[in-house]
Amino acid sequence: NAGVTQTPKFQVLKTGQSMTLQCAQDMNHEYMSWYRQDPGMGLRLIHYSVGAGITDQGEVPNGYNVSRSTTEDFPLRLLSAAPSQTSVYFCASSYYVLSTEAFFGQGTRLTVV
Amino acid sequence: TQLLEQSPQFLSIQEGENLTVYCNSSSVFSSLQWYRQEPGEGPVLLVTVVTGGEVKKLKRLTFQFGDARKDSSLHITAAQPGDTGLYLCAGDRAGGTSYGKLTFGQGTILTVHP
Repeated sequence: NAGVTQTPKFQVLKTGQSMTLQCAQDMNHEYMSWYRQDPGMGLRLIHYSVGAGITDQGEVPNGYNVSRSTTEDFPLRLLSAAPSQTSVYFCASSYYVLSTEAFFGQGTRLTVV
Repeated sequence: TQLLEQSPQFLSIQEGENLTVYCNSSSVFSSLQWYRQEPGEGPVLLVTVVTGGEVKKLKRLTFQFGDARKDSSLHITAAQPGDTGLYLCAGDRAGGTSYGKLTFGQGTILTVHP
């Protein structure tokens, strides 16, 4: 089973550039989310989705956009990259709305210079 | 301010020693989860505790959820080098539908030396 697949694994961007981090899951999970991981801060929720066509903001949404056109895919868009967005990004999915046990992708290490 | 305070942040011990990691909050959680993360990988779920006072064992790992569902601990007996990694606690706030909005602690980096 592929589980949760994130691409790319590594990315370097220049300040002001835009890009999309891809996330796909093959477990038919309703719930998907994006986190960023910074040293000493654990994981912080950026955006989440409880199903196709439904998204909402998490703890640190500024500078990021998401959409959920299918159950499988949940891309994260950086509109105009800033050095403060240098981080490791994780996509996660869960079985049901009422279950929070998350399955994570392998992460995307993003550096903004 | 961190909703879930995890301690210690770093732990370096010798093989065979015991250790405990704590996860504390002033908020009540519907459930609390523990994840383990290795370098270059995403977190992997170890256990979920949902009932106040619950104790779960996973081989040499013992997880406990506080009676008031505000805190949790992870105890490892006779640590081995293979236990090395980042341990994360995560909880979903009590009240309403959780929608998977997990709150994570800062993490504990455990190094077990042979």
